[in-house]
Amino acid sequence: AQSVTQLDSQVPVFEEAPVELRCNYSSSVSVYLFWYVQYPNQGLQLLLKYLSGSTLVESINGFEAEFNKSQTSFHLRKPSVHISDTAEYFCAVIPYSGAGSYQLTFGKGTKLSVIP
Amino acid sequence: NAGVTQTPKFRVLKTGQSMTLLCAQDMNHEYMYWYRQDPGMGLRLIHYSVGEGTTAKGEVPDGYNVSRLKKQNFLLGLESAAPSQTSVYFCASSYTPGPHRGNIQYFGAGTRLSVL
Repeated sequence: AQSVTQLDSQVPVFEEAPVELRCNYSSSVSVYLFWYVQYPNQGLQLLLKYLSGSTLVESINGFEAEFNKSQTSFHLRKPSVHISDTAEYFCAVIPYSGAGSYQLTFGKGTKLSVIP
Repeated sequence: NAGVTQTPKFRVLKTGQSMTLLCAQDMNHEYMYWYRQDPGMGLRLIHYSVGEGTTAKGEVPDGYNVSRLKKQNFLLGLESAAPSQTSVYFCASSYTPGPHRGNIQYFGAGTRLSVL
């Protein structure tokens, strides 16, 4: 079984400041990792993913996340946030294969509030 | 291309009433999922389907039933609604998981259900 821990439930940050949303996971098997974003009153959208290859992955709107296997982490970062980044962010994992390879396990979410 | 469409968007039920939530996807995905989202809990899997005519239980299946009679549709039923089922329900779909492809799930906009 897998578990995901998002260490901060709420993160307030001033506009144009950097931000890091932390995610740690636990799994006995190798996993794929994802960050999803949920804007107010909307569904979840895939922000970025780590499947293989370079451990640093980037999104089209300036977010990046780095997979650290030794620390079992997948922290999300952005060097300069905008008001439009205000949303809830979910970290999720899924096993490579075998039982449960189609079941996403989500963290409880981190609400990012960007302050003007 | 509509993606994943959920109907209705909002519903208020009285305890004991029944209802069906409909999810439709136009991406020819094999896999479909129903999640519920509660404050501070992240998303939890209710039921899922790996193909037309097949369904399986997820993490929190009690009080719900599902059917997948057509590949593009996945129905979630509440036979006798309870206040504990007040939640936001999300449907998702994905391609069959595969090596280096992971399992990228695409979400609908959600259904807000209140049970009084």
